[in-house]
Formats: sequence, C-alpha cells, structure tokens
Amino acid sequence: DQQVKQNSPSLSVQEGRISILNCDYTNSMFDYFLWYKKYPAEGPTFLISISSIKDKNEDGRFTVFLNKSAKHLSLHIVPSQPGDSAVYFCAASGGLISGGSNYKLTFGKGTLLTVNP
Amino acid sequence: DGGITQSPKYLFRKEGQNVTLSCEQNLNHDAMYWYRQDPGQGLRLIYYSQIVNDFQKGDIAEGYSVSREKKESFPLTVTSAQKNPTAFYLCASSIAPGQGKPEAFFGQGTRLTVV
Repeated sequence: DQQVKQNSPSLSVQEGRISILNCDYTNSMFDYFLWYKKYPAEGPTFLISISSIKDKNEDGRFTVFLNKSAKHLSLHIVPSQPGDSAVYFCAASGGLISGGSNYKLTFGKGTLLTVNP
Repeated sequence: DGGITQSPKYLFRKEGQNVTLSCEQNLNHDAMYWYRQDPGQGLRLIYYSQIVNDFQKGDIAEGYSVSREKKESFPLTVTSAQKNPTAFYLCASSIAPGQGKPEAFFGQGTRLTVV
C-alpha cells in the first residue's frame, strides 16, 4: 500500500509560468516532508522541506504548502525555468516531532516536470 | 569536500553471482540507507543502519545483505537470491533522530545490470 502518492506521472509547463506538483500521504505518523529533484542516472538532490507544524515554507522560487487535514502537500515553482526539467520526488518521514527512532524516508513515484522554452 | 561516494557507477553481473556495491560518506552521519529505483517507480528502501554494527530491513530486503563495520561505510551485497536485480541503486545518509532535521543526502548511484 503506497503511503506517499504522486498521482501525476508528468507535467508540462511553459517557461515563466507556475509549476504545481502535488503529493498525498496516508500515514498520520509522518511529520516531516521533503521534495527532491532528480536527473536521469544521478542521485536525488534535496530541494525543500516542511515540518508538520508549519503550513508553508518558501525558498526562492520554490514554495511547499502542507494541508495536514487533507494529508496533501504541493510544491510551487515560480517562475519555472527550463533547467527545472527533472523528476520531482515527494518524500515523508516520521520521528522529527514525535520522537521516533529513525529518519527513514518513504518516497512517492515521482513526477516528471518538463519546462518548455 | 563532504559527500557520499558510490562505486562503481555501472556494474554488470552474470546470473547466479553475488556482487557488492560500495558506499562511503564523509559527512559524519550516523544513519545510512540503501534504496532501489526501477523505471516508473519511486525509491524503495532496502536496508538502513542507524549505528555501527546495527542495521534493519527495509521494505524490499529479500535477496540483499549489508554490513556496517565502520561509520563511513555501508556496502550492499546483491545475492543470487535476488530475482530481479537489474535496477539503479542509491545510497544515502542522514543525521540520527534528535540531532536535527531528517534530510537525507544521496550518492550518484550505481546502475546494476544482469547479463
């Protein structure tokens, strides 16, 4: 059973417009959420994160929104640039706030973002 | 320059052979992880280790083995018992709970192909 779901396998946007990537989760024990960016044949790189005590975190062009009641988070990229084209993974961890015993991450299947010039 | 080094980048294995993937980190992280990525799939956890000489099975541990004799090193052995070993393998590390945020850092991956 998938605990972290990214229901859109792909997304295509025009350069300069907003990209919105979505992620849903089912495990109420998750208290920290992360977005990673990945290019083919490379390891994922950390992009931005948010803890469950917040509903928004912003870093430059990237903003993550968390709706705990809906168990939903989204990543907004504004403005989108061609270099943003990659696979974006949503990940979740339990233990930051609840004092769990490990920080292992559970990942979604990813969304391929293509930003067209 | 701190980071995680995986080697080799590409690995070919004949059916029935065991192979070992190397992962070394100099980030002084206590926790290390092995993930597997298949086309169209997310990253699935194989094994993780919170401390030297201790490790736990992840979601897809069958056919794999690990060791954690040193803090810096977490090698993964893909045994002949793994029925479908062709995949992209990723090693990661993070701090331990209570030390800060659970942000894992990844190596560049090893592409394993069974021939």
